[in-house]
Amino acid sequence: DADVTQTPRNRITKTGKRIMLECSQTKGHDRMYWYRQDPGLGLRLIYYSFDVKDINKGEISDGYSVSRQAQAKFSLSLESAIPNQTALYFCATSVRQGLRGYTGELFFGEGSRLTVL
Amino acid sequence: AQTVTQSQPEMSVQEAETVTLSCTYDTSESNYYLFWYKQPPSRQMILVIRQEAYKQQNATENRFSVNFQKAAKSFSLKISDSQLGDTAMYFCAFMKHGGGADGLTFGKGTHLIIQP
Repeated sequence: DADVTQTPRNRITKTGKRIMLECSQTKGHDRMYWYRQDPGLGLRLIYYSFDVKDINKGEISDGYSVSRQAQAKFSLSLESAIPNQTALYFCATSVRQGLRGYTGELFFGEGSRLTVL
Repeated sequence: AQTVTQSQPEMSVQEAETVTLSCTYDTSESNYYLFWYKQPPSRQMILVIRQEAYKQQNATENRFSVNFQKAAKSFSLKISDSQLGDTAMYFCAFMKHGGGADGLTFGKGTHLIIQP
């Protein structure tokens, strides 16, 4: 089983619909992230969370919201989906590695492909 | 803010050849981490190699090695004896030392195709 699980893997929806993408992890990591991937643009950070009570906006948070329901769960919501939110969405985790701190290695889920018609 | 530039949108080489993917970055930080991530058609993101900026020695992982030029802010990935399974998108990424709170900054990617 994957350590970082995203649901759904694929979703087609219509403009104006509310969509939630869910992420759960069994790695025990404290930090969780949501990235968006678009062709030719790489990955861009939407939101990140240090723990349940600490949520921060990333580079492209407009039109999105998140919820950290527990250390292991981090959900991304599109309140009213629009076509330019069609993309591949990744959840990722990271953890402090002893005295070295956070060394930057992210552990990714398998991605959720969202299509907004 | 940091930026990461990958100037090669797509590359194609024959199996068993050596290929080098380019990456440059811009930062005012003196200590940081650099990464290459691989994304095969399965779309899973896989860490290929990591370089800590304070280390002068270039990182290597089996057939993968980097050429890290700190003064030039260049971080290229060399894949030796390329294999069909190396076909993937490759992303260069940057993170400030100490655990940049906002995670990694990614380049736009290079699509590498290994031809049989």
